[in-house]
Amino acid sequence: GQQVMQIPQYQHVQEGEDFTTYCNSSTTLSNIQWYKQRPGGHPVFLIQLVKSGEVKKQKRLTFQFGEAKKNSSLHITATQTTDVGTYFCASTGNQFYFGTGTSLTVIP
Amino acid sequence: NAGVTQTPKFRILKIGQSMTLQCTQDMNHNYMYWYRQDPGMGLKLIYYSVGAGITDKGEVPNGYNVSRSTTEDFPLRLELAAPSQTSVYFCASSYAQGSSYEQYFGPGTRLTVT
Repeated sequence: GQQVMQIPQYQHVQEGEDFTTYCNSSTTLSNIQWYKQRPGGHPVFLIQLVKSGEVKKQKRLTFQFGEAKKNSSLHITATQTTDVGTYFCASTGNQFYFGTGTSLTVIP
Repeated sequence: NAGVTQTPKFRILKIGQSMTLQCTQDMNHNYMYWYRQDPGMGLKLIYYSVGAGITDKGEVPNGYNVSRSTTEDFPLRLELAAPSQTSVYFCASSYAQGSSYEQYFGPGTRLTVT
């Protein structure tokens, strides 16, 4: 099956620092989605990227889709304690393959 | 709308027992999915359905069965439970339209097999 790798697996940051998670695939992706899962909760959809080189912003969150459509990143500027959780990328099509996730801890 | 609902929230099974995890969505979504999430791991697709009467295997289907007799319901059946099936199970649905497959997840069922 399709493999979607995410790095890093864990990230601890001081509140106010920036955070980035990367998603990489060995194959070209038709599109990619990002989800956030709070501790003890369920994944919640954040955004979908479709076009090569696409960049989308949601307040402090910036999402990028690589030119070759094999990688993507999520960048959070000036993290807050409300950003705590695990961030997953997912490749889409008939089936969904979720990345391994990056767990973000924000230290106040 | 309630969205995606799952029952039960928690369950403890003995090895060899069977059970059905229930999933219902009220958004008239075509697609429904079952995932399992092991501690500290990502989600792995067990089965999915693109509409009533149609189901297909995902990445990890062994030990599970599904059915989709209505648009709203997508139950997951575990036969002969094994400790390896201890996990959190999430049901999700999406309305496939063009390239948009945003998934809505239920709250999950935490299953322990001992």
